[in-house]
Amino acid sequence: QQQVKQSPQSLIVQKGGISIINCAYENTAFDYFPWYQQFPGKGPALLIAIRPDVSEKKEGRFTISFNKSAKQFSLHIMDSQPGDSATYFCAPSSNDYKLSFGAGTTVTVRA
Amino acid sequence: NAGVTQTPKFRILKIGQSMTLQCAQDMNHNYMYWYRQDPGMGLKLIYYSVGAGITDKGEVPNGYNVSRSTTEDFPLRLELAAPSQTSVYFCASSPDGTNQPQHFGDGTRLSIL
Repeated sequence: QQQVKQSPQSLIVQKGGISIINCAYENTAFDYFPWYQQFPGKGPALLIAIRPDVSEKKEGRFTISFNKSAKQFSLHIMDSQPGDSATYFCAPSSNDYKLSFGAGTTVTVRA
Repeated sequence: NAGVTQTPKFRILKIGQSMTLQCAQDMNHNYMYWYRQDPGMGLKLIYYSVGAGITDKGEVPNGYNVSRSTTEDFPLRLELAAPSQTSVYFCASSPDGTNQPQHFGDGTRLSIL
């Protein structure tokens, strides 16, 4: 049973453009919705996270939008930069602290 | 501050051999995790530990064993290596389990031939 579906698998965006990655989940017990960023040869690192009591959270150029009724949340990268080229994972969890990783989205920002 | 350190970075094993992947953290975190990452797939939890002396199975534990004798160290043992265990292995830690960020090492790339 695939609990988390992430899309698209990859995307290419021009410098200064907007990247949007979506994550759909099935488990209604999830109560923590993070996005992790991974560069080649490195481990994932927490980028931004949201709890279900808010619908949006912004940190710099990164925004999470959360739709509880649709069981979806998304990552928006504004003014995309070449340094944002990485793989992004959604990884929601419930109170049991086990992250459920999506398959990942590879973002390439063209200069 | 080293964070989470994994050794070795790369290893090639023959089918049937055994080895231990090392993981150490210097952040005094109680929770530690082992994941594997296969191409095109997200990370899958192999084992986790909520403190010294306590370990439990994750989603894909078969073929692996762990121990946690100290807060700092959480080694992962492969017995009788199989080609299906070719993967990149990541160790992570967090202060506790309540929706805290997990801090990852840089991984061990393991090939079994």
